[in-house]
Amino acid sequence: GAGVSQSPSNKVTEKGKDVELRCDPISGHTALYWYRQSLGQGLEFLIYFQGNSAPDKSGLPSDRFSAERTGGSVSTLTIQRTQQEDSAVYLCASRLGTYYGYTFGSGTRLTVV
Amino acid sequence: AQSVTQLDSQVPVFEEAPVELRCNYSSSVSVYLFWYVQYPNQGLQLLLKYLSGSTLVESINGFEAEFNKSQTSFHLRKPSVHISDTAEYFCAVSDETSYDKVIFGPGTSLSVIP
Repeated sequence: GAGVSQSPSNKVTEKGKDVELRCDPISGHTALYWYRQSLGQGLEFLIYFQGNSAPDKSGLPSDRFSAERTGGSVSTLTIQRTQQEDSAVYLCASRLGTYYGYTFGSGTRLTVV
Repeated sequence: AQSVTQLDSQVPVFEEAPVELRCNYSSSVSVYLFWYVQYPNQGLQLLLKYLSGSTLVESINGFEAEFNKSQTSFHLRKPSVHISDTAEYFCAVSDETSYDKVIFGPGTSLSVIP
């Protein structure tokens, strides 16, 4: 596609429920990234993929968070048993390679009530 | 691990005045440096980047940043700001330990006052 697409754009969920956030990167971009942006905070690195593998999962806040990527394309970030502190904007980005900047999606605003 | 510091969380400046947004990073190895901008109610966009070569890099809308290795800085400057420059600016770095992992600073909110 023309840009990085994220869905849903907004998600309100009850504490304790599981949520899935989807990212559809630009076609041909091998690298895909997930970041979290909390109110008044910068971007917190969560995880990145090269193809379908995730060389660095160190940014995932807890074992409630997991992510996968299939076919070198779409990625899903899953948060189990959501907590209020999970409320944030979850941003996905992709890029063609190391020398290129990111193209960001518009994000998913997650609110846990 | 690399980290990025943006000392100024908010910078108010009058229209047509110059501005400098400060960015310092911690890494002792070769780095790639980026500035991203987030306009109100929009997604993040790449403003400019330093990979190698000339230490002064420019964007298409008049911003420039200079890589200073000895001071581990990558400050962003513009000689004359416009109202439309009001936005959040994020400095980011990756280094040779993992060029694929880009770490962002906390951001600086630039407010241009008419």
